[in-house]
Formats: sequence, structure tokens, C-alpha cells
Amino acid sequence: GAVVSQHPSRVICKSGTSVKIECRSLDFQATTMFWYRQFPKQSLMLMATSNEGSKATYEQGVEKDKFLINHASLTLSTLTVTSAHPEDSSFYICSARRQGAGGYEQYFGPGTRLTVT
Amino acid sequence: RKEVEQDPGPFNVPEGATVAFNCTYSNSASQSFFWYRQDCRKEPKLLMSVYSSGNEDGRFTAQLNRASQYISLLIRDSKLSDSATYLCVATGNTGGFKTIFGAGTRLFVKA
Repeated sequence: GAVVSQHPSRVICKSGTSVKIECRSLDFQATTMFWYRQFPKQSLMLMATSNEGSKATYEQGVEKDKFLINHASLTLSTLTVTSAHPEDSSFYICSARRQGAGGYEQYFGPGTRLTVT
Repeated sequence: RKEVEQDPGPFNVPEGATVAFNCTYSNSASQSFFWYRQDCRKEPKLLMSVYSSGNEDGRFTAQLNRASQYISLLIRDSKLSDSATYLCVATGNTGGFKTIFGAGTRLFVKA
């Protein structure tokens, strides 16, 4: 399978600060990447679709000014959580899409566990 | 109605058992289907694609029924290491088609 990295794997920050999370596709180019959030024992929730060279598409209820997404190259998308609050504490996972034999396959990064104190 | 629905379980089975999960999807335009596996506090990992003709990978068999809009995953000879959450996924073959993940089915395999 394809390899997607995510950095940092874990971050603890104070309320009001901003945190940037990087997602990289290491062995393929991805014009489309996705950002998900997952709370404990809950399912993946799609936050936004990141398109290389254009604006991200946000899901309903996700604040685009709070969760800034930049997809400046075919291998890198970043998610910045601005003015983080404790309720933003969650597991953030990115994925990159690649055309495979079975259709558009998604490969996930290892996730970033964010804790806001 | 959710676009992709799965029985959340949990399914508790003994080692060596055969267990089957079903998943239904509502968008008849969906073209591609997958099963992912997610371990606790980890990211989902692609388990297998689901082809119209069905496909098998070792102890795992996936089936697609387009007429009834459901897909299935059969695990034979369950191992302790199969304990995880299994996510059903439906998507399309065009770039703008949204990929929909099911909420997952939890499986516990016990000795």
C-alpha cells in the first residue's frame, strides 16, 4: 500500500494557541487529501477535502476560519487549528487519495493526537 | 438514513470462528467499495477492495450485491489479531465523488 506520514503524532498546547499538522504522501502524488477528526469511540468525521492548488472544501458545521487548510504541493497538505480550545482536543487523521485497481483508494496517515489544556 | 450503514456490534466470537459483516449503502451511483480495518487509537488501514465478482484474500472474502446495495466481509478461522473495528466504504470513480465511511463494526475475537 501507499505511505502517508503525518506530523506531529502528538501535541499538547495551551488554549488560544495555534497548532499546525502536516500530512505528506511519501510515494505518490495526491491531488486530493482529506482531513478527518475522530473522538474516542466515535466514527471518523470528515472535516474537509483538500485540493492541490485550490481552496479546501469544508463539511457542514466545520469552521473554515478555525481550521485552515493549505495544499500547496502534490505531496503536502497542512491543517492549522487556530486559537485552539479544549473542545478541539481530538484525534486528527489525514488521508491521501490514489487511483488503484479497485478505484479511488484512500491511505491514511498515522494521526495526530491533539490535547488542548 | 445514513449513506453507509453498518451494524456497530460488537461481535464477540471465539478463535477459529467464522464471522460475517454486512454493510448497506444508499447512493446507487457508488462505484467502488472497500473494507478498512481500524485498531484502537490507530488510523484506518485498507484491508481490501470489493469487486463486483467478489474477491478473496486469504481468510477474508468480500462480496458486493449491487441490486440490494450491500457489501459483505467474511472472516474465516478468526484470529485474536483480527480484533478491530471494520469500516465499510463506498465511493465513486470520478474525482469529485465523495467517499463515505461507515461508522464501523467492532469485532472481538477471544481465546
